[in-house]
Amino acid sequence: EPEVTQTPSHQVTQMGQEVILRCVPISNHLYFYWYRQILGQKVEFLVSFYNNEISEKSEIFDDRFSVERPDGSNFTLKIRSTKLEDSAMYFCASSGVSGNTIYFGEGSWLTVV
Amino acid sequence: DQQVKQNSPSLSVQEGRISILNCDYTNSMFDYFLWYKKYPAEGPTFLISISSIKDKNEDGRFTVFLNKSAKHLSLHIVPSQPGDSAVYFCAASGHFGNEKLTFGTGTRLTIIP
Repeated sequence: EPEVTQTPSHQVTQMGQEVILRCVPISNHLYFYWYRQILGQKVEFLVSFYNNEISEKSEIFDDRFSVERPDGSNFTLKIRSTKLEDSAMYFCASSGVSGNTIYFGEGSWLTVV
Repeated sequence: DQQVKQNSPSLSVQEGRISILNCDYTNSMFDYFLWYKKYPAEGPTFLISISSIKDKNEDGRFTVFLNKSAKHLSLHIVPSQPGDSAVYFCAASGHFGNEKLTFGTGTRLTIIP
């Protein structure tokens, strides 16, 4: 069964550094997302991406965050100037044409120290 | 602003019995509802969904009921199995699938052998 894959599974970074989280969405999907879950809290929407541009973003997705689809398969989340409060599990997700369900990857655990 | 609420943080059910997980929402613009199952350190796994034009959707042991007037949905699992032990998240979106999901806080289901 097709799946969303994410790398790395765990990353530790110094506060102030930049991190890039990578995702390979399901191959025929057109809509891409990043969500995150801080330990013990609910899953929160960060950003959605369609047709090579951001379609919606949340308040969490400030100007330190950016997304990119550099080629036909990868979808990346970059966080610049990381803060302690960025520590969370980050989930990439994708969905097909309208009416399809959003499928999630296994997550990338980011620890900012 | 909790637009999607799961008021029971945990639930324990005997193996073989029915598990009923509940979810309430406040935003009347929500049109599509999903249930995800999540194990620790893994991504949410899609279980079942329902659109607002239906009041019931069934898939094997899983049935979701939607009561639009009460803004309430529930997930029934019957019979419950030990492998069902996980955290269950209710999620809602404004339209089919590809709009952002708003998640509830989750209910930890424990199936007692």
